[in-house]
Amino acid sequence: LAKTTQPISMDSYEGQEVNITCSHNNIATNDYITWYQQFPSQGPRFIIQGYKTKVTNEVASLFIPADRKSSTLSLPRVSLSDTAVYYCLVGPLSNDYKLSFGAGTTVTVRA
Amino acid sequence: GAVVSQHPSRVICKSGTSVKIECRSLDFQATTMFWYRQFPKQSLMLMATSNEGSKATYEQGVEKDKFLINHASLTLSTLTVTSAHPEDSSFYICSGTGGAGLQETQYFGPGTRLLVL
Repeated sequence: LAKTTQPISMDSYEGQEVNITCSHNNIATNDYITWYQQFPSQGPRFIIQGYKTKVTNEVASLFIPADRKSSTLSLPRVSLSDTAVYYCLVGPLSNDYKLSFGAGTTVTVRA
Repeated sequence: GAVVSQHPSRVICKSGTSVKIECRSLDFQATTMFWYRQFPKQSLMLMATSNEGSKATYEQGVEKDKFLINHASLTLSTLTVTSAHPEDSSFYICSGTGGAGLQETQYFGPGTRLLVL
């Protein structure tokens, strides 16, 4: 299992861009990087997944440098409803791969 | 994305009783389902992994006789907490993988809040 390290918390204001960096120095060749968002008393919600370079969807962007030892989740123009815990996970794409959740990053968006 | 549901969303029971939680994949066939537990202010902890038609594999420290998992079909897995005690009160979350085109990504249910009195 590749261990990940991400900041415990981040504060932001509405309309700003939030960038959360995750370190995964021991990422394996066949590992992908996946980010989830979790609101209180809800299950995690898939945000984005990538292997290298940049991935963008309607919710976020994921930047992965060439060495893949880190990745950055970018949330554009956050709103109060983006206040949540964000988890960075790495691992191979396999049906029975066991995800190991760390503490995640608690993002608080203020008005 | 793929949709996973859980029922009930919350349950209160008396100590010593058993509680069953259902996890359903609504728009894909989940060949593998996972059960997690999350205590307040903590992260998700994997309890067990189940494949359709097979016995579940439990993580170290999780009592298989207390947390009975059944994955009888590709769309349904159940977790039964037997002889529940107050320390079993927690947020239980399931996830599934295996849908076509989903690249083996885990999709999570909304969770079930269990309170044992």
